[in-house]
Amino acid sequence: GAVVSQHPSWVICKSGTSVKIECRSLDFQATTMFWYRQFPKQSLMLMATSNEGSKATYEQGVEKDKFLINHASLTLSTLTVTSAHPEDSSFYICSAIQGYGYTFGSGTRLTVV
Amino acid sequence: AQSVTQLDSHVSVSEGTPVLLRCNYSSSYSPSLFWYVQHPNKGLQLLLKYTSAATLVKGINGFEAEFKKSETSFHLTKPSAHMSDAAEYFCVVSVEGSTLGRLYFGRGTQLTVWP
Repeated sequence: GAVVSQHPSWVICKSGTSVKIECRSLDFQATTMFWYRQFPKQSLMLMATSNEGSKATYEQGVEKDKFLINHASLTLSTLTVTSAHPEDSSFYICSAIQGYGYTFGSGTRLTVV
Repeated sequence: AQSVTQLDSHVSVSEGTPVLLRCNYSSSYSPSLFWYVQHPNKGLQLLLKYTSAATLVKGINGFEAEFKKSETSFHLTKPSAHMSDAAEYFCVVSVEGSTLGRLYFGRGTQLTVWP
């Protein structure tokens, strides 16, 4: 079946640095990619929707200058957390529409120290 | 407005006993509803989905869920739990009904299966 490969699966970074998370669609073209974030004991919350070749649409309260999304090709979307702070520590997961369903990446556990 | 409430954050069962994971939803539209499972360090895997067809939906690994509009519920069940069922389960509603769009997730239910 369709697979979305997400890397890294976990990352620890220092406060103030930037972290890039990649999601690649394998064997299919992902025109649309959704990025979610999950804080401990909370739901996955949609951060933004990216469409290949256009600017991402961010949900209310999500800082677009802090969470940079690039969807330059039909198989790759990236989320860069810029100037990370401890409060950005979370679980980030991407999802692509494939056929009549959604395919999710395996998620990235980000810890900012 | 759309929302999903998973009524239990943790459920523990013994192997071979029934599983019930509860989910209630609210939606302004005719909803599409999903159950996903997430094993440690793995992506979310679709168990089953409801999209306005049969109200009793059968999924993979022996799971099924029943859409009850009058109760706004979509509880997940399995007659006999297996050790491999231990995972996090998410109830999800799609806001655009049968078309694909943004998803709203419940908080998740951690299922523990005891030998």
